[in-house]
Amino acid sequence: GAGVSQSPSNKVTEKGKDVELRCDPISGHTALYWYRQSLGQGLEFLIYFQGNSAPDKSGLPSDRFSAERTGGSVSTLTIQRTQQEDSAVYLCASSLGLAVSADTQYFGPGTRLTVL
Amino acid sequence: GENVEQHPSTLSVQEGDSAVIKCTYSDSASNYFPWYKQELGKRPQLIIDIRSNVGEKKDQRIAVTLNKTAKHFSLHITETQPEDSAVYFCAARRAVWSEKSVFGPGTRLSVLP
Repeated sequence: GAGVSQSPSNKVTEKGKDVELRCDPISGHTALYWYRQSLGQGLEFLIYFQGNSAPDKSGLPSDRFSAERTGGSVSTLTIQRTQQEDSAVYLCASSLGLAVSADTQYFGPGTRLTVL
Repeated sequence: GENVEQHPSTLSVQEGDSAVIKCTYSDSASNYFPWYKQELGKRPQLIIDIRSNVGEKKDQRIAVTLNKTAKHFSLHITETQPEDSAVYFCAARRAVWSEKSVFGPGTRLSVLP
């Protein structure tokens, strides 16, 4: 079956503009994660969804960042008034999210965001 | 909440030698511990995982050990090869609906020819 997909793969925008990043998780996966990864750095957690709910949004760096998930499937990460420091690869991952099972995360290919 | 530390941050080994990466976690209720490998320019992918009811798991040249008492788990790679060069991330999770997986900061492994 299809894996996690993300779009766009690359996004170049001007400082101050808003951007939307999309994630399509694996069908049937209830858990969805957003991470940010700067060049050569680790995985910075942004937000975690279980179904349409976000039990943990503690990683969102500022109120310019928001995310939603509708229908327990597709998720959109929105960054308003982008800044140069927002430039990074944004990774989405999904997992079965079961409470009593291994919870392997499957990552998408990422969206490389460049803010000029 | 859970906190995961990982050491070392960078590791260089000669081809054919073994590599060991260690992670410690804070939440004694965590019960699932995966390891991910991220090659340059690619996405992280699971290479091995272990559940809390098991002390060790092997898959060819890689193995993971878990010490629940000490709250640490380690990745062991034997007979390292150049293609093992990558960043390795450990993670820990408590199997509760509201709890997310928590990743360590990563270890950059370089296998020198």
